[in-house]
Amino acid sequence: KNEVEQSPQNLTAQEGEFITINCSYSVGISALHWLQQHPGGGIVSLFMLSSGKKKHGRLIATINIQEKHSSLHITASHPRDSAVYICAGRNSGNTPLVFGKGTRLSVIA
Amino acid sequence: DAGVTQSPTHLIKTRGQQVTLRCSPKSGHDTVSWYQQALGQGPQFIFQYYEEEERQRGNFPDRFSGHQFPNYSSELNVNALLLGDSALYLCASRKNSEAFFGQGTRLTVV
Repeated sequence: KNEVEQSPQNLTAQEGEFITINCSYSVGISALHWLQQHPGGGIVSLFMLSSGKKKHGRLIATINIQEKHSSLHITASHPRDSAVYICAGRNSGNTPLVFGKGTRLSVIA
Repeated sequence: DAGVTQSPTHLIKTRGQQVTLRCSPKSGHDTVSWYQQALGQGPQFIFQYYEEEERQRGNFPDRFSGHQFPNYSSELNVNALLLGDSALYLCASRKNSEAFFGQGTRLTVV
């Protein structure tokens, strides 16, 4: 069992829909990252969270440390949001990131 | 600032050959980590370099080795390539808790 689990694995949405991607982890973490990976491979860091909630444009990330759960929300989704979204956790400052398998999002116009 | 740069972007090698992948970290970043991402999977940690030494290592065989240079750039070497080594290899550099990733090198072993 992976230490970081994401759901759903695949998600198809209509343009404009509100999207939620979930991440649960079984290990203690000090920081959780949400990452975006487009076809071709490059990964972009969207958020780094250790508590509470962060917002950037149409993206919102929340984390509940007690429940070991984080969510990534996309409001007013657009086809350009189509990508793989990955959550990754770090136990402490110097430990490596542990990644989920990713959620493949397709937003259809 | 060019961010994290990796070279080459794509590479095709034959089984048994050796390969070297390169990574230049984001300016000011002194810690470099390498990850292997198989198709449809999340990245898996290979190793991390800091101050020119391997500091942490994931569950990868000794065929995977690395190096970090005084300018913090890094190389990943894989010997005796297997078909299963075909993957996207990602380099990440870090300062404090924030990680920045390169575009990756897609290695195909035939």
